Amino acid sequence: QSVLTQPPSVSGAPGQRVTISCTGSSSNIGAGYDVHWYQQLPGTAPKLLIYGNSNRPSGVPDRFSGSKSGTSASLAITGLQAEDEADYYCQSYDSSLSGRRAVFGGGTKLTVL
Amino acid sequence: QVQLVQSGAEVKKPGASVKVSCKASGYTFTGYYMHWVRQAPGQGLEWMGRINPNSGGTNYAQKFQGRVTMTRDTSISTAYMELSRLRSDDTAVYYCARDSSGYGYWGQGTLVTVSS
Repeated sequence: QSVLTQPPSVSGAPGQRVTISCTGSSSNIGAGYDVHWYQQLPGTAPKLLIYGNSNRPSGVPDRFSGSKSGTSASLAITGLQAEDEADYYCQSYDSSLSGRRAVFGGGTKLTVL
Repeated sequence: QVQLVQSGAEVKKPGASVKVSCKASGYTFTGYYMHWVRQAPGQGLEWMGRINPNSGGTNYAQKFQGRVTMTRDTSISTAYMELSRLRSDDTAVYYCARDSSGYGYWGQGTLVTVSS
């Protein structure tokens, strides 16, 4: 059971727009912690896609965008391409008795039809 | 360029310990927290904890408290993660990742297989 909730799967046709939601609570996203997004291709390490809720690292296409509101965040991908087929994870932080800890969503598998 | 290079795959028996290393290059090792994240086969990402390479201070996920130890050797810019009392459900790929507003740099991963 992940602290952050993502849909297990989403799909879209090439050229379409898809969104992936990430729902948290008042102890993590709602507490003001940043949300980051990662793309993971099979057999490889995750790659940072969006940092600080809505910022793209150098080299990430502007087809990828992120937003955050309240206790949730979203990743949007426009102009879907076959190479976007991958697993996507959101990540934030959570306040606990032992201090700040990183938390992940359970991951969303994107299928390009 | 920033690189995190991890040690090779390990096969361990239940009850044993494993120590994975993560050698950093291309930046000031003591300037950024190093985190450890694992991924069981077919599963999602799970945060294990972090170490401040400057002070050696650590924070561990509650799930791993008492079983995990994160250390570093600043002389060789290397972080270590040791997991003890291994169980079959510890079989996973273990990653180190550098923290700087998100994990912008990851090691290549180390597969740890726990099997009798």
